[in-house]
Amino acid sequence: VQLVQSGGGLVKPGGSLRLSCAASGFTFNNAWMSWVRQVPGKGLEWIGRLKSKADGGTTQYAAPVKGRFTISRDDSKNMLYLQMSDLKTEDTAVYYCTTDYRWEPGQWGATDYYFDSWGQGVLVTVSS
Amino acid sequence: DIQMTQSPTSLSASVGDRVTITCRASQDVRYNVGWFQQKPGKAPKPLISDAVSLQSGVPTKFIGSSSGTDFTLTITSLQPEDFATYFCQQYYSLPITFGHGTKLDI
Repeated sequence: VQLVQSGGGLVKPGGSLRLSCAASGFTFNNAWMSWVRQVPGKGLEWIGRLKSKADGGTTQYAAPVKGRFTISRDDSKNMLYLQMSDLKTEDTAVYYCTTDYRWEPGQWGATDYYFDSWGQGVLVTVSS
Repeated sequence: DIQMTQSPTSLSASVGDRVTITCRASQDVRYNVGWFQQKPGKAPKPLISDAVSLQSGVPTKFIGSSSGTDFTLTITSLQPEDFATYFCQQYYSLPITFGHGTKLDI
């Protein structure tokens, strides 16, 4: 199970940026995916989730990013995206994609996994 | 939002020691609690899910337990590679929330 992130970098306040997360080693279309961020040296903050299409494909967002950030997926490419717009200096952080919930069929039935894989993280710096 | 109050904030221990880190949830989270280890510059490493279940490949020296809204991570026989920051998390309800972390150092 592997998540490899790309994107990130320096952007001016009010600008936009898209992060990508390439998934492999598991059944991506069964997975609910989340994004979590972390200001360097600080704690972890969940920012949003995208359910699998089979479970409705709905998104939920944390209050600080709702209306500015959009999570999407391309199951044909095993890709997850985070589109960030109207960026603020307080959005500066390392961003991680993670497998929020997923399941895999097995000999004895399905096995559930929670937050068992994380991307390597990418730094987003919002500064003028 | 559900608050996860994690204690202690920092902890000093020695190789071979056994340590315990606690998280108290501000309301019922059933057993939907995870624990993570994080080292500087690295992504969180999942240790435990559902309060007591070891994630794949995690050694049995990491033990999760629960009692009501109190959740505990115990690490036995500390080794140099165990010195890191540990976070708890609840995923019972949105927004998913994390404890503020416990820095375990020598």
